[in-house]
Amino acid sequence: QQPVQSPQAVILREGEDAVINCSSSKALYSVHWYRQKHGEAPVFLMILLKGGEQKGHEKISASFNEKKQQSSLYLTASQLSYSGTYFCGTPFLNNYGQNFVFGPGTRLSVLP
Amino acid sequence: DTEVTQTPKHLVMGMTNKKSLKCEQHMGHRAMYWYKQKAKKPPELMFVYSYEKLSINESVPSRFSPECPNSSLLNLHLHALQPEDSALYLCASSRQGGGYGYTFGSGTRLTVV
Repeated sequence: QQPVQSPQAVILREGEDAVINCSSSKALYSVHWYRQKHGEAPVFLMILLKGGEQKGHEKISASFNEKKQQSSLYLTASQLSYSGTYFCGTPFLNNYGQNFVFGPGTRLSVLP
Repeated sequence: DTEVTQTPKHLVMGMTNKKSLKCEQHMGHRAMYWYKQKAKKPPELMFVYSYEKLSINESVPSRFSPECPNSSLLNLHLHALQPEDSALYLCASSRQGGGYGYTFGSGTRLTVV
C-alpha cells in the first residue's frame, strides 16, 4: 500500500530546481505532501484531492495525475530552507477502516 | 493557536515501567492521531481518534494504550515496552475527514532500556 517516491535523495545548489515523484500501484484518492527537517515534526505543505489538480505554495507546487496514480512536487529556485525530507502520503481503506500511509521519503539537501 | 503540544519531549524508561505521553491541541480539530517514527523512516499510523472515539486501531501491540479524555487531549499509555519500541512518537490532529492535512506535534523521543 505504501507509495513509491523517487528519487530517494537529491542534492541541489541554491537556485536550482527539483522534482519529487510519488506513485502507487493502487488508486490514489488524494495525495498529501509534507516536509520534515532533521529533529523536527513533519509540516503539511499541501493536499491534492482531484485528478488534474495543481497547487502552489510559494515556490513549491504539486500536480496530481489520478489516472497515472502519481503526484509530483516541484521545487523551483530552491532555498537553503528547503532542505529536509519530503514525504507524500495517501489515505486508503483496510479492515480497520480508513488508514493513511506515507511514502518512504525523499531527502533533499540544498547547498550554498 | 495553531500548535499541537506534546510532553515530554524526551523519555527514557525501563522495560518494566509505566509511563504516559501527552498531546494537546486547541485548533478545534476533531480527529487526533498517534504516529510512530523510527530513524530515517516515514511516520507509521498507530491510532486514530475521531470525535473522541477510537475509530481504527492498527495491529499495534497491547503494551500501547491510547486514551482521548476530551476533544483537545490525547494520551498514549506505555507499559512493558521493548527496546525495539524506542522511536519518535508523534501526535497529530486534523479537521474531520482528513482532507485538510495533518498538524503534527514536535514529538516525544522515547528510549526503552
